[in-house]
Amino acid sequence: GIQVEQSPPDLILQEGANSTLRCNFSDSVNNLQWFHQNPWGQLINLFYIPSGTKQNGRLSATTVATERYSLLYISSSQTTDSGVYFCAGGLNTGNQFYFGTGTSLTVIP
Amino acid sequence: NAGVTQTPKFQVLKTGQSMTLQCAQDMNHNSMYWYRQDPGMGLRLIYYSASEGTTDKGEVPNGYNVSRLNKREFSLRLESAAPSQTSVYFCASSSPGLGNEQFFGPGTRLTVL
Repeated sequence: GIQVEQSPPDLILQEGANSTLRCNFSDSVNNLQWFHQNPWGQLINLFYIPSGTKQNGRLSATTVATERYSLLYISSSQTTDSGVYFCAGGLNTGNQFYFGTGTSLTVIP
Repeated sequence: NAGVTQTPKFQVLKTGQSMTLQCAQDMNHNSMYWYRQDPGMGLRLIYYSASEGTTDKGEVPNGYNVSRLNKREFSLRLESAAPSQTSVYFCASSSPGLGNEQFFGPGTRLTVL
């Protein structure tokens, strides 16, 4: 299967700081998503981004498909951003979809 | 729209007992998935159904069976639960017409004693 490596594994930020999370894939994918798992365990869709750049408020993501990596940018972090951020990808709907082990983010006031 | 719903939210079983986890989606998606999440790990695919009437094994299918009852519903069955199946189970759905983006249910927390 496809290996998904996320870095860093843990991150502690002061409120208001910016951060970049990275996701590397061992093989090409044409589905790629970023999720936020909140402290209650709910998985929240952040971006569906097989290629290119998208922005949603303080969050943005960039995927360079040819180099098999994706970046998630969090600007002006807030305590509500705390949780675990996962990237996941695969080939075509209905097939295998592989998750990374996540980046655990703690934002302190 | 409720999105993806799962029942039950919590369950405790004894080793050897059986149970079925239910999942339903109201987004008219073609594909549905079952994942498990163990502490400190990402989600791992158990089974998926690309379309109504088809099911395929994922990364960790042993000890599980699935049924795609209709387009809306996809159930996961544990025939003889084992402590190693203690986990949080997530159901998801997606559709190629919507860019293949997966949407997840709230999860079922299962403990096997």
